[in-house]
Amino acid sequence: EPEVTQTPSHQVTQMGQEVILRCVPISNHLYFYWYRQILGQKVEFLVSFYNNEISEKSEIFDDQFSVERPDGSNFTLKIRSTKLEDSAMYFCASTSWSGTNSPLHFGNGTRLTVT
Amino acid sequence: GENVEQHPSTLSVQEGDSAVIKCTYSDSASNYFPWYKQELGKGPQLIIDIRSNVGEKKDQRIAVTLNKTAKHFSLHITETQPEDSAVYFCAASIGGSQGNLIFGKGTKLSVKP
Repeated sequence: EPEVTQTPSHQVTQMGQEVILRCVPISNHLYFYWYRQILGQKVEFLVSFYNNEISEKSEIFDDQFSVERPDGSNFTLKIRSTKLEDSAMYFCASTSWSGTNSPLHFGNGTRLTVT
Repeated sequence: GENVEQHPSTLSVQEGDSAVIKCTYSDSASNYFPWYKQELGKGPQLIIDIRSNVGEKKDQRIAVTLNKTAKHFSLHITETQPEDSAVYFCAASIGGSQGNLIFGKGTKLSVKP
């Protein structure tokens, strides 16, 4: 079964550094998402992306965050200047379209640790 | 803002017993309610979902019920097995979008052999 793949599985970075989290969505999917999960807490929506632009974003997704689909397969989340509170699991997800009968498929996540 | 409440936060059952997890949501426009299972070190995996035009859906040992008037929905797992042990999350769509979801805080289910 096709799956969403994320790299790296674990990223450690120092506060203030830039990080790029990478995702390869399922190949025929058109809608892409980033969610995050702080340890022990709920999964939270960050941003949705369709047709090479952001569709929706949450309050968490501030100016420090950006997303990009640099080629036909990768979907990236960049955090420009990481803060301690950015430490979390970041999940990429995709779906073939945003209507019915197309559930969200999640990757296994990237654990980001900011020291 | 929109919110999803989930109870209980932890649930321990004996193998073979049933488990029920309940959620309530606040957004009247929500029309899609998936349930995800998350095992350690993995991403959430969809196990069942229901749309607002349906009151109940069943898939083998798993069933979901939806009461749109009361804004609550529940997950029922029958004949639980040790491999059902995981964290379960309910979620509700923000409006009609299936991709923009609000999650509950999760229920850690432990099935004891």
